[in-house]
Amino acid sequence: DAGITQSPRYKITETGRQVTLMCHQTWSHSYMFWYRQDLGHGLRLIYYSAAADITDKGEVPDGYVVSRSKTENFPLTLESATRSQTSVYFCASSSSGELSGANVLTFGAGSRLTVL
Amino acid sequence: RKEVEQDPGPFNVPEGATVAFNCTYSNSASQSFFWYRQDCRKEPKLLMSVYSSGNEDGRFTAQLNRASQYISLLIRDSKLSDSATYLCAVNTLFYSTLTFGKGTMLLVSP
Repeated sequence: DAGITQSPRYKITETGRQVTLMCHQTWSHSYMFWYRQDLGHGLRLIYYSAAADITDKGEVPDGYVVSRSKTENFPLTLESATRSQTSVYFCASSSSGELSGANVLTFGAGSRLTVL
Repeated sequence: RKEVEQDPGPFNVPEGATVAFNCTYSNSASQSFFWYRQDCRKEPKLLMSVYSSGNEDGRFTAQLNRASQYISLLIRDSKLSDSATYLCAVNTLFYSTLTFGKGTMLLVSP
């Protein structure tokens, strides 16, 4: 199906473990984004990517690693998960960097991560 | 001043009421503005973009006030199905990205 999909949708892990959240989009959008959403903080940008092999830090990048070897995939890795990384993670994409009425940000369904 | 601020609510209104939300932003250079709707435990979905001249989509009207640096969302004839959290989004820190407000919760009751 076309669209943006995230996996896993739910994940429980332990402190110190490595976790990778996957994001796949079928629109061939150039831009992809990772946000986290927490009570009291709203949506915060972790990393984003303008194209394959181009990534940039967002507002809260510490503790996360991203890669973009293919346009359609943008995995987010927590190399050593901490309890403070318990959150809902949303992947999003857009066709260009010039966000406007004609080019908007579209979100995946989210990945709910719990770190014990 | 935070980059994007919204009143968290909740706004409790009866069906048929008109309700308005505001969202203030700090960066006067911001160019793109949006309203997203988020249902409980779901992803944000675009409700509407906000244009300089204001725009309307059915019962929803969005306006931009650059002088005072805020955007607004007006919902007329509220429906039960309008109950959700409304997020405003502005491009600020990085040209290609959006910064979101924390959202305003709307509860429409029968």
